[in-house]
Amino acid sequence: GAVVSQHPSWVICKSGTSVKIECRSLDFQATTMFWYRQFPKQSLMLMATSNEGSKATYEQGVEKDKFLINHASLTLSTLTVTSAHPEDSSFYICSARALQGSYNSPLHFGNGTRLTVT
Amino acid sequence: AQTVTQSQPEMSVQEAETVTLSCTYDTSESDYYLFWYKQPPSRQMILVIRQEAYKQQNATENRFSVNFQKAAKSFSLKISDSQLGDAAMYFCAYLAGTASKLTFGTGTRLQVTL
Repeated sequence: GAVVSQHPSWVICKSGTSVKIECRSLDFQATTMFWYRQFPKQSLMLMATSNEGSKATYEQGVEKDKFLINHASLTLSTLTVTSAHPEDSSFYICSARALQGSYNSPLHFGNGTRLTVT
Repeated sequence: AQTVTQSQPEMSVQEAETVTLSCTYDTSESDYYLFWYKQPPSRQMILVIRQEAYKQQNATENRFSVNFQKAAKSFSLKISDSQLGDAAMYFCAYLAGTASKLTFGTGTRLQVTL
C-alpha cells in the first residue's frame, strides 16, 4: 500500500515552454503533498507544501509564478514549470502524507521526474 | 532554523561488515522526529528507520539501527552485515511539528565492496 505515482518519469522540453508534472496517491488520500527539487549529487530541497483545496506554501527563494502548484483533489497534485529554462533542468520529487496521518507520519515518495530543458 | 549535517560525503564498507553513517542536527525544538532515507540509483526515496525524540531507546529495524544522542544532537545510522543492495545515497532527515516538513541532510554515498 501507500503508493505515490509521479508522471512523467522523464521529460525533455524546449526553452520557453511549460511542463506539467503529476503526483498521484494511488491507494490513499493525501491532505498534504510536498514538492522537492534535487540537483545531481545533492540533497532534496523543499520547494513547496501543497494542501488540498488551498494555495501552496512556497519556500523562500522559490518563484511561485514560475513553479505553479495545484492540489485540486485528495489524490492529485501538479507542478507546472512555466517558461522553462535550462537552469530549471533538475530532478523533481513529490511526496505525500496520508489524510489520516499526523504531522509525523511517514511520507510516501514518488519515483521522481527528470526534467531536461534544451 | 533547523539544519541537518552529514559530514561524510562518501563511505565504503566491505560486504558483511558494519558501517556507521554520521548525522548531526541543530534545533531548539523539544518534540521532533528523525529519519534515515535511502536513495538507490533508481532515485526512489525509501524510509530506512525513524526515531522519536521523546524515546530514549534507539530504534532498530533488522540490520539497521541508530545511535540517538539527544543532548549531543547526534543521530548516526549503523548498518550491520552490509549487503551489496545497501549501496545507495543515505539522507538523514529532521521533522518538527511546528514546521511539519522534512529537512534533509546533504547525504552520504555508501559503497559496498566485495
